Amino acid sequence: DVKVTQSSRYLVKRTGEKVFLECVQDMDHENMFWYRQDPGLGLRLIYFSYDVKMKEKGDIPEGYSVSREKKERFSLILESASTNQTSMYLCASCEASGRAVNEQFFGPGTRLTVL
Amino acid sequence: GNSVTQMEGPVTLSEEAFLTINCTYTATGYPSLFWYVQYPGEGLQLLLKATKADDKGSNKGFEATYRKETTSFHLEKGSVQVSDSAVYFCALSTPGGYNKLIFGAGTRLAVHP
Repeated sequence: DVKVTQSSRYLVKRTGEKVFLECVQDMDHENMFWYRQDPGLGLRLIYFSYDVKMKEKGDIPEGYSVSREKKERFSLILESASTNQTSMYLCASCEASGRAVNEQFFGPGTRLTVL
Repeated sequence: GNSVTQMEGPVTLSEEAFLTINCTYTATGYPSLFWYVQYPGEGLQLLLKATKADDKGSNKGFEATYRKETTSFHLEKGSVQVSDSAVYFCALSTPGGYNKLIFGAGTRLAVHP
């Protein structure tokens, strides 16, 4: 069974803290993604990675960074958490394809609250 | 730019009712279209997809047809069950874009016995 796991289901942090969200996939997928999910806005892409050490900004990268040192692991970093980063964060992965047909597999999400 | 528009929810139905959730898109080129579902407390999972015009995706009794002329991909099911209660997301992906997805806002469906 394919699997994407995220390090925490719920996380509470204080304003200004550095926050790490970890994502691991066991499917040997090339592409990995971080989204945030907010009511009425759907999912918005923060960053994605198409190979180890390669990353690209998504639609809302401000206030975030990422790291991909190994193929199976993709980390999202909030350098200095702020209250407007309170959200549900979803990680996903998929095989590489130039034809845009591949299914993305999602983790269960991390609900982050910044106080 | 590319975008997806879904009908606003919530949609509330009785068991065995007919379901339609509207989805329209704007995209350059020839996108692939997807419906993902999110059950309570879970991540998203693929429900169905269509990769070219006039394709019909189907799964678990749900169907959607890729209509290029109306830029639509409406989700339908003939008889919903309580277990179909979830949030449904329409999404698109364009060739050469690393399989990035652009999502609609999501539509919450609540089915009552």
